[in-house]
Amino acid sequence: GENVEQHPSTLSVQEGDSAVIKCTYSDSASNYFPWYKQELGKRPQLIIDIRSNVGEKKDQRIAVTLNKTAKHFSLHITETQPEDSAVYFCAASTRTGTASKLTFGTGTRLQVTL
Amino acid sequence: DTGVSQNPRHKITKRGQNVTFRCDPISEHNRLYWYRQTLGQGPEFLTYFQNEAQLEKSRLLSDRFSAERPKGSFSTLEIQRTEQGDSAMYLCASSLAGTPEQYFGPGTRLTVT
Repeated sequence: GENVEQHPSTLSVQEGDSAVIKCTYSDSASNYFPWYKQELGKRPQLIIDIRSNVGEKKDQRIAVTLNKTAKHFSLHITETQPEDSAVYFCAASTRTGTASKLTFGTGTRLQVTL
Repeated sequence: DTGVSQNPRHKITKRGQNVTFRCDPISEHNRLYWYRQTLGQGPEFLTYFQNEAQLEKSRLLSDRFSAERPKGSFSTLEIQRTEQGDSAMYLCASSLAGTPEQYFGPGTRLTVT
C-alpha cells in the first residue's frame, strides 16, 4: 500500500520567515495530495491540496509543489505568523473503488517564534 | 454549524467494556470515513462508507470493531471488549461524491483504563 514520509518532524522559524515541509510518497498511482493543519485539541483542517495534473498551487501565503517523477511534494508557508504554529500533515490519496482513502505522514510541528 | 460533528468528544472506559461513537457528516456528503489517530502520528484509515454501503475496511479494524451507517446519514463506530491499545482519537471525515476533499470532525478521544 501507500507509504508517506514527512520531514522534518519539528520546525522552528522566526515570525516573518518562510517554512518548508517535505513529503514523499511511494504509490505512483496516487493522484491527490492534501495538507492539513491541526492545532492542539482541534480537528485536522484542510488548508490546501494539489492534484497530480498540476505542478504548483498557491493560496495567499501558502503554496504546494508536486514533483510526480520524484514522488515528492512540499508545503511552503511565507511570512509566517504566530497563528501558523500547529502540526501540519501531508497526505496522499490511494484510490480504492470510487472513494479516496488518505494515507498521512507523521506530521510536522511548526513553531513560529516572535 | 454545518461541519462534521462527533459525539461524545471524550470517553473514558474500563478495559473490557464496549463503547460506541457517533459521527454526523456534512449533510450533502454521501461518503463517510473513519480514521484513528494516536499521539504524535497522523490519522490512519479504518473504514469508509458510500451512502449506507461499507466499501472498505483496513486491516487495523479488528473483529472487535464494527461500523454502521444504516440510513446513509450518520455513522456509528463500536468497539467491543476494549483494550488499552484502543486508546486514541477517533476521527470521522466526510466528502462529496466526485470530489476528493475530506473534511474532518473534532474527533472522539477514547481512554481505556
